[in-house]
Amino acid sequence: KQEVTQIPAALSVPEGENLVLNCSFTDSAIYNLQWFRQDPGKGLTSLLLIQSSQREQTSGRLNASLDKSSGRSTLYIAASQPGDSATYLCAVSSFQKLVFGTGTRLLVSP
Amino acid sequence: GAVVSQHPSWVICKSGTSVKIECRSLDFQATTMFWYRQFPKQSLMLMATSNEGSKATYEQGVEKDKFLINHASLTLSTLTVTSAHPEDSSFYICSARRTGAAGYTFGSGTRLTVV
Repeated sequence: KQEVTQIPAALSVPEGENLVLNCSFTDSAIYNLQWFRQDPGKGLTSLLLIQSSQREQTSGRLNASLDKSSGRSTLYIAASQPGDSATYLCAVSSFQKLVFGTGTRLLVSP
Repeated sequence: GAVVSQHPSWVICKSGTSVKIECRSLDFQATTMFWYRQFPKQSLMLMATSNEGSKATYEQGVEKDKFLINHASLTLSTLTVTSAHPEDSSFYICSARRTGAAGYTFGSGTRLTVV
């Protein structure tokens, strides 16, 4: 059974810092990995998707990497802003299903 | 592209009543949609996979008679919480994937409160 874990569970940083969110999964037989953002009481916004054959994807200040063999992915956020405050979820896709991680709650202070 | 609309965004109902939540793919057809449940400060748990024109596939531990899923068209799936009780209060989110796309698109979620 696929299990996805995210570290840290919560993170509080001052504005401007670069930060790294971690995601690990137990079964390396995945199709892709997707990072989402969730604001309180809202749905999910897709940030980045990395195919199993890819090593990384970039979008603006966000960079996500994937090491499938070791079961790890990282989301790098450069020059963090208060608007980045949200919960970040990684999800692994295998056998037509998404398995979500436990999430990292990020707070960026002005 | 790949927009998923979910309604209502929130609903309050009395114990014993039933509530229907709709999930629509606005600009694509979805033969498969997914329903998730999220408890406060927890991650999303897959409840069931909704298949157009056939029965839904429920995850282990999810009561299919309590959470009725209907996927009558290629753009609409509904989740009905029957005989709702306070413990059914939760955040329900649907998702779908456009054919040929790698990623999933999610609805905005429905906050259900049973009083």
